Amino acid sequence: SSELTQDPAVSVALGQTVRITCQGDSLRSYYASWYQQKPGQAPVLVIYGKNNRPSGIPDRFSGSSSGNTASLTITGAQAEDEADYYCNSRDSSGNHPSFGGGTKLTVL
Amino acid sequence: EVQLVESGGGLIQPGGSLRLSCAASGFTVSSNYMSWVRQAPGKGLEWVSVIYSGGSTYYADSVKGRFTISRDNSKNTLYLQMNSLRAEDTAVYYCARELRFYGDYVGYYFDYWGQGTLVTVSS
Repeated sequence: SSELTQDPAVSVALGQTVRITCQGDSLRSYYASWYQQKPGQAPVLVIYGKNNRPSGIPDRFSGSSSGNTASLTITGAQAEDEADYYCNSRDSSGNHPSFGGGTKLTVL
Repeated sequence: EVQLVESGGGLIQPGGSLRLSCAASGFTVSSNYMSWVRQAPGKGLEWVSVIYSGGSTYYADSVKGRFTISRDNSKNTLYLQMNSLRAEDTAVYYCARELRFYGDYVGYYFDYWGQGTLVTVSS
């Protein structure tokens, strides 16, 4: 089982705000990063660090962290945001990467 | 332009071996942290193995002793040798570059991913 825990599924009404969370002890020492994955495609980085967006990622995506919980917030969700979202950080030893189980986001 | 291109996947019988390749362009594999990440059908992402720039390697418990990660600096290519394959190894295998940065904490993230190569273990 993963050392990073995510809710399996979340839904949001079109244009509303949704928060996807990731919990794990390693998040007290390491930043999380977040990936969006659509069916049949490779994951795409959307947030890393305290709240950094790679070039090309809309500013409706933001990140935050508190204690052992990291969050990805989508403010004004769009239909194209419907996807699986994965958090990533380190394992408890810090030696290697670890992924959360993923959250399936449905935009209603 | 950074690009990662995996190859080597296919149908293999249980107990068989396969070697995956990940050809990189636009950066130097040996100077970076490189991982293999897999995704079984309908399942989430699972980290498999990493090779650090210094040469250290780590493996997920599920593949330890069966898989070996390596790189060929002259070809700028990452490899994953997979032996004693099992049905549960069936997945799309991605290679990805991982970057490290420092802020209040240490952070890591995968900035580039390949398109993936499908490995199917079945008789």
